[in-house]
Amino acid sequence: ETGVTQTPRHLVMGMTNKKSLKCEQHLGHNAMYWYKQSAKKPLELMFVYNFKEQTENNSVPSRFSPECPNSSHLFLHLHTLQPEDSALYLCASSQGNEQFFGPGTRLTVL
Amino acid sequence: SQQGEEDPQALSIQEGENATMNCSYKTSINNLQWYRQNSGRGLVHLILIRSNEREKHSGRLRVTLDTSKKSSSLLITASRAADTASYFCALGGDTGRRALTFGSGTRLQVQP
Repeated sequence: ETGVTQTPRHLVMGMTNKKSLKCEQHLGHNAMYWYKQSAKKPLELMFVYNFKEQTENNSVPSRFSPECPNSSHLFLHLHTLQPEDSALYLCASSQGNEQFFGPGTRLTVL
Repeated sequence: SQQGEEDPQALSIQEGENATMNCSYKTSINNLQWYRQNSGRGLVHLILIRSNEREKHSGRLRVTLDTSKKSSSLLITASRAADTASYFCALGGDTGRRALTFGSGTRLQVQP
């Protein structure tokens, strides 16, 4: 266990659904990240939060909406997704240079 | 491209052999990290080497960094079947940016 948990682990949703991914870190870190990992593509950074403030948005479509209510929790709200959004969504946290990853949410958009 | 590029994309070896993976990059870095990912799981940090270091060891892992050539290598000695995974290099920028830039990974298969 890395100290970073993600729920749900698997999610299947239709294009008109609204769902949320949750990430929680129990490490006392001050930075949290969302990454997208698609088949045969490099890990893509989506968002970075530093002390609850968003510091990076890597040109992510607005159908992905992050929320960071405190330094321990990070959400990714999903709405009107496309089939090409199907991927493994990874959350990570850090205090220094090393990042600690959660197990990911495997998302399938039908 | 800012990301690291790993070579080879896939590597298959026998248990007990050494595995070497390479990472090349184009930007300035503060540090370079290697991560491991078992199929469909999260990434696990293996080792970090700073831009002013040339070599680092951790157990069966040996990492080298050549900033003049903008390249790094990860050597796993005496490989085991349990080392089967994907390995990624990640670039830590020199501008104070928190985020890492990951390469596309090397898929290592260790045959028992």
